[in-house]
Amino acid sequence: GENVEQHPSTLSVQEGDSAVIKCTYSDSASNYFPWYKQELGKRPQLIIDIRSNVGEKKDQRIAVTLNKTAKHFSLHITETQPEDSAVYFCAPVSGANNLFFGTGTRLTVIP
Amino acid sequence: DARVTQTPRHKVTEMGQEVTMRCQPILGHNTVFWYRQTMMQGLELLAYFRNRAPLDDSGMPKDRFSAEMPDATLATLKIQPSEPRDSAVYFCASGQGTGNTIYFGEGSWLTVV
Repeated sequence: GENVEQHPSTLSVQEGDSAVIKCTYSDSASNYFPWYKQELGKRPQLIIDIRSNVGEKKDQRIAVTLNKTAKHFSLHITETQPEDSAVYFCAPVSGANNLFFGTGTRLTVIP
Repeated sequence: DARVTQTPRHKVTEMGQEVTMRCQPILGHNTVFWYRQTMMQGLELLAYFRNRAPLDDSGMPKDRFSAEMPDATLATLKIQPSEPRDSAVYFCASGQGTGNTIYFGEGSWLTVV
């Protein structure tokens, strides 16, 4: 199955700074690249996604960039706020469906 | 607002007891997943179904766990007998087709004592 790795595993930033989380995958047939956010005690929820025919997508303070050649995609959060503190998971999808989530990145935004 | 519904939300049971968790996927979704998460760790895939047929349950301990979809509106995950190491949050998620967003339920928080 897909081998998915996320880096870093933990990340602390000052409020207002930017945060970047990288996800690498092994299946070159992957064609859908979502990011999920999980707040403490809550369910994971989709925050942004991108498909393989697009290199970058933005939604207000968050963006995702994709490098299919290198088989990695990244989550970018600008102007971080305390409510961005959560665990973030990537889950690249190939022809099957979302099966394999990354190990997660715990982001802490320090006020 | 369509959502995945899971029951029970919380369950405390004694070791050796049977536990059944239920999931109602979003209407129209044909893919259902069961994940397990411990202490805010990663999401471990236990099983998934498409059009009610089990496609992959390789992550599930077969000796005590079983997953079924009696109909398109109900998925079940059963543990018998339960053990303390099964204590975790069990998430159900559903989606439509392949390569699309999946939506998670609120989770069933299981504690086995």
